[in-house]
Amino acid sequence: DTGVSQDPRHKITKRGQNVTFRCDPISEHNRLYWYRQTLGQGPEFLTYFQNEAQLEKSRLLSDRFSAERPKGSFSTLEIQRTEQGDSAMYLCASSLFGRGNTGELFFGEGSRLTVL
Amino acid sequence: AQTVTQSQPEMSVQEAETVTLSCTYDTSESNYYLFWYKQPPSRQMILVIRQEAYKQQNATENRFSVNFQKAAKSFSLKISDSQLGDTAMYFCAFMAWDSNYQLIWGAGTKLIIKP
Repeated sequence: DTGVSQDPRHKITKRGQNVTFRCDPISEHNRLYWYRQTLGQGPEFLTYFQNEAQLEKSRLLSDRFSAERPKGSFSTLEIQRTEQGDSAMYLCASSLFGRGNTGELFFGEGSRLTVL
Repeated sequence: AQTVTQSQPEMSVQEAETVTLSCTYDTSESNYYLFWYKQPPSRQMILVIRQEAYKQQNATENRFSVNFQKAAKSFSLKISDSQLGDTAMYFCAFMAWDSNYQLIWGAGTKLIIKP
């Protein structure tokens, strides 16, 4: 396993278009997180899954954002009707939650969104 | 609510010097983890070091060590013999067991190692 992978690495879109990002976590990890990060800031929590269940969603997340993890493996994050303020790096992370949990998150390289 | 504060937006030191990054946090929880993550320019976030709150001994990982002061709610990172590859954003993060293991992040410190 090569770690957490995200696709695409960079997406440029026009305002109003929909975009979808994909994250493939480390295979044995049951938790998957999505964060948003703007330049010079720490990651901002968006949502997380345990297996296929979405357990928490940030109150800051508008209805234009939706995430799925249908089979408890890969996840997608969709942004509908993109706005310029959505321009950011979208980070995916995974972890193994349960007995022996160390709390460590493993991150992908991120998907950078630019909305024109 | 838990908060994490990193008071140094940017620091720079010469290669081979020792540098300390500060982090304070606020919580009423008794069981938690603390982390330092590193994010090099245009590269992914990786874990540098972690500390369990119930352990009194400070964690160390090679050139990286922490000074964990639980009563003062302070968790600083010391980098010894700094290297050019240590140039990165460093984020302090807190995870309470009772918050379903959610990470609370500081704003980060940009560390520049000069040759």
